[in-house]
Amino acid sequence: GAGVSQTPSNKVTEKGKYVELRCDPISGHTALYWYRQSLGQGPEFLIYFQGTGAADDSGLPNDRFFAVRPEGSVSTLKIQRTERGDSAVYLCASSLDIRQGLDEQFFGPGTRLTVL
Amino acid sequence: GNSVTQMEGPVTLSEEAFLTINCTYTATGYPSLFWYVQYPGEGLQLLLKATKADDKGSNKGFEATYRKETTSFHLEKGSVQVSDSAVYFCALSLYSSASKIIFGSGTRLSIRP
Repeated sequence: GAGVSQTPSNKVTEKGKYVELRCDPISGHTALYWYRQSLGQGPEFLIYFQGTGAADDSGLPNDRFFAVRPEGSVSTLKIQRTERGDSAVYLCASSLDIRQGLDEQFFGPGTRLTVL
Repeated sequence: GNSVTQMEGPVTLSEEAFLTINCTYTATGYPSLFWYVQYPGEGLQLLLKATKADDKGSNKGFEATYRKETTSFHLEKGSVQVSDSAVYFCALSLYSSASKIIFGSGTRLSIRP
């Protein structure tokens, strides 16, 4: 079956612009996570959705970052007024249902964001 | 806080050599422990995991044992291959923290033929 998909695979933008990154989780997975991976580092947690609601957004670096998951499936990570320091690979992961202990996360290929 | 510290790379070995990549963790509670691998040009993949003390995770010839007394989860393989060249991440998650994964900084492994 299809894995987690992310679009676009690459995004180049200019400082100050707005960007949206999309994640399609595995069908039926209720939990969805966003991570950010800077060059040479491990991924860092940004936000977690259980269904439609953001259950934990403690990793979002500031209020320029926002994410939604309106129908409990596809999620969009939105970054306003991008800065060069936002350049990174943004990873999405999904898991079946952590409330039932089915919490193995499956990762997408990522979106590489470059802010010029 | 919760964190993972792993051996810095890069690590370069000859084919058929023995591999150890060290990993220690700090956690409040009882974490699950993981090794993830990122092959060149590919996404992050779960290599192996262990969910409680003394569990051994294994996959593709790699092994790691959850050692609560030393808070460690070292990755080992008896005989590496060129195809094992990749970046390896040690990681933990806590159910009490919604299972979000905390990663180490990664260890780049290169295997010479």
